[in-house]
Amino acid sequence: DTEVTQTPKHLVMGMTNKKSLKCEQHMGHRAMYWYKQKAKKPPELMFVYSYEKLSINESVPSRFSPECPNSSLLNLHLHALQPEDSALYLCASSQERQGKHEQYFGPGTRLTVT
Amino acid sequence: AQSVTQLGSHVSVSEGALVLLRCNYSSSVPPYLFWYVQYPNQGLQLLLKYTSAATLVKGINGFEAEFKKSETSFHLTKPSAHMSDAAEYFCAVSDSSGNKLVFGAGTILRVKS
Repeated sequence: DTEVTQTPKHLVMGMTNKKSLKCEQHMGHRAMYWYKQKAKKPPELMFVYSYEKLSINESVPSRFSPECPNSSLLNLHLHALQPEDSALYLCASSQERQGKHEQYFGPGTRLTVT
Repeated sequence: AQSVTQLGSHVSVSEGALVLLRCNYSSSVPPYLFWYVQYPNQGLQLLLKYTSAATLVKGINGFEAEFKKSETSFHLTKPSAHMSDAAEYFCAVSDSSGNKLVFGAGTILRVKS
């Protein structure tokens, strides 16, 4: 089973709203990732969690707040977003083992900020 | 810093023809290389990976890629294109930690009937 699930599939929010994106995997992976993908562009890394601790933050604005409640779950809390934050948000996971670095991606959440 | 360059933002082939998608990498250390496919409005699916075990890597859906260190290339091929192969393909590289995956700009493959 190489499945990463993400909810919701679509989200429309106003600039004053607070919402959260959820990601879940049951593959026993200990690294989880958030990516942002704009239209016609490759995914860009936002955050990396390794063993439930934030290990990489790619200078993401504080209006994006990640959380890793346990080894299977990853959340992205959104607050006071801007229209330019509209994008496809992808979650991924991988093993933390040499030679097993491939990342498995979820289907994404299509976010529209109005 | 590691990077990949995908030559050709769009590639068009006829159904049954050879598919060749080009990727060149830049890395100061032995890289891990990957090819992913993305269908419209979906996430990325791993096609294959290179982790130094073998230079010719076979993946899913009949795709394969060959690692050529002398050319710093990792081109993706499929002998016979199928309509269902139409999608966007991303080449990606990571360092030994595997945490920082850097993607190429992507190549959109069109398959003509």
